[in-house]
Amino acid sequence: AQSVTQLDSQVPVFEEAPVELRCNYSSSVSVYLFWYVQYPNQGLQLLLKYLSGSTLVKGINGFEAEFNKSQTSFHLRKPSVHISDTAEYFCAVSAGGTSYGKLTFGQGTILTVHP
Amino acid sequence: GAVVSQHPSWVICKSGTSVKIECRSLDFQATTMFWYRQFPKQSLMLMATSNEGSKATYEQGVEKDKFLINHASLTLSTLTVTSAHPEDSSFYICSARDASSYNEQFFGPGTRLTVL
Repeated sequence: AQSVTQLDSQVPVFEEAPVELRCNYSSSVSVYLFWYVQYPNQGLQLLLKYLSGSTLVKGINGFEAEFNKSQTSFHLRKPSVHISDTAEYFCAVSAGGTSYGKLTFGQGTILTVHP
Repeated sequence: GAVVSQHPSWVICKSGTSVKIECRSLDFQATTMFWYRQFPKQSLMLMATSNEGSKATYEQGVEKDKFLINHASLTLSTLTVTSAHPEDSSFYICSARDASSYNEQFFGPGTRLTVL
């Protein structure tokens, strides 16, 4: 079984500042990693994903994440945030074995961008 | 592409009634659909996985007789909350996956269920 831990439940930041949202996972098999964003009362939108290849993944809206296998991390970063980035962000993992194809989500990180 | 819709977007019902939520893949064939529930300020919890034409596989702790899932076609899955009670009030989100994107799920906008 796999699990995901998002280390920060809330991250406040000022507009145009950089931000990092942390995500660690555990799994006994190879994993695929995802970051989703959720705006209030809406579904999830995929920001980016790591399936294989380059460990630095670029996504939409200027976000990027780096897969670090040795540290079992997949932190999300953005060099300069906007007010419109205020939302909740979920890290998720999909693994092999009996859980193949199923997504396990972290607890979510609420990003609040202040003017 | 890869659009998933849900209907209704919100529903209020009386305790003891049943509610049906539809999940549709609009521009692809969804061989697998997933149903999640999300309580306020919490993460998504997988309820069940349904493959077209097969019985749904429920996660541990999810009552299959209470949450009836039907996936009769490649573009439609339904979740029926039977004899709903206030504790079933939640945000229900579906996702869909086609045969070519095994590792990616496309999410619907969610359905807010309030049971009075």
